[in-house]
Amino acid sequence: KAGVTQTPRYLIKTRGQQVTLSCSPISGHRSVSWYQQTPGQGLQFLFEYFSETQRNKGNFPGRFSGRQFSNSRSEMNVSTLELGDSALYLCASSVAGTGDEETQYFGPGTRLLVL
Amino acid sequence: SQQGEEDPQALSIQEGENATMNCSYKTSINNLQWYRQNSGRGLVHLILIRSNEREKHSGRLRVTLDTSKKSSSLLITASRAADTASYFCATDDQAGTALIFGKGTTLSVSS
Repeated sequence: KAGVTQTPRYLIKTRGQQVTLSCSPISGHRSVSWYQQTPGQGLQFLFEYFSETQRNKGNFPGRFSGRQFSNSRSEMNVSTLELGDSALYLCASSVAGTGDEETQYFGPGTRLLVL
Repeated sequence: SQQGEEDPQALSIQEGENATMNCSYKTSINNLQWYRQNSGRGLVHLILIRSNEREKHSGRLRVTLDTSKKSSSLLITASRAADTASYFCATDDQAGTALIFGKGTTLSVSS
């Protein structure tokens, strides 16, 4: 099976712009999660989608949003970009996102630089 | 907020030596997972240990879990240069749908 894919891999934006990142999960996986990784805060959970519904959300401002499509692909959007949004954004997929044996498989990430 | 805290933050060893990393967490868990990240790339899942398990092996990896101390350790035996990476422990949140990561241990294995 193909792994989790994320596009684009690298992105440079300026403050105030908005950005959309895309994630295609492993075939058959219905849960998609997003994480932000920065040197200062480490890996932080953004949100999780299952069957097009957001089931869980981390402690991020409303500028961060996401959605999931019927084919389980997911997008996340960041509006009004700030310098502090520069980070590696990681997408992970799993079969159902819950349960004792639920492993999340990560994509290569999108590295966003905000100037 | 961070759940797990890895120790040490950085570890440098020679090829062939064993590497041990520790993780402590704060709240009760269903399971604990260890991930590896090479140089700012995606995370690779290494092993999952359930709360009712005490030890688990996978190849050169050995993970222990002590729920009474809220701690886990990852042992990599006979380290190789290719093991150079950052290692993270992660626990599930109360909803069971999010991973809460520690800050990681950076392992450097020199030949």
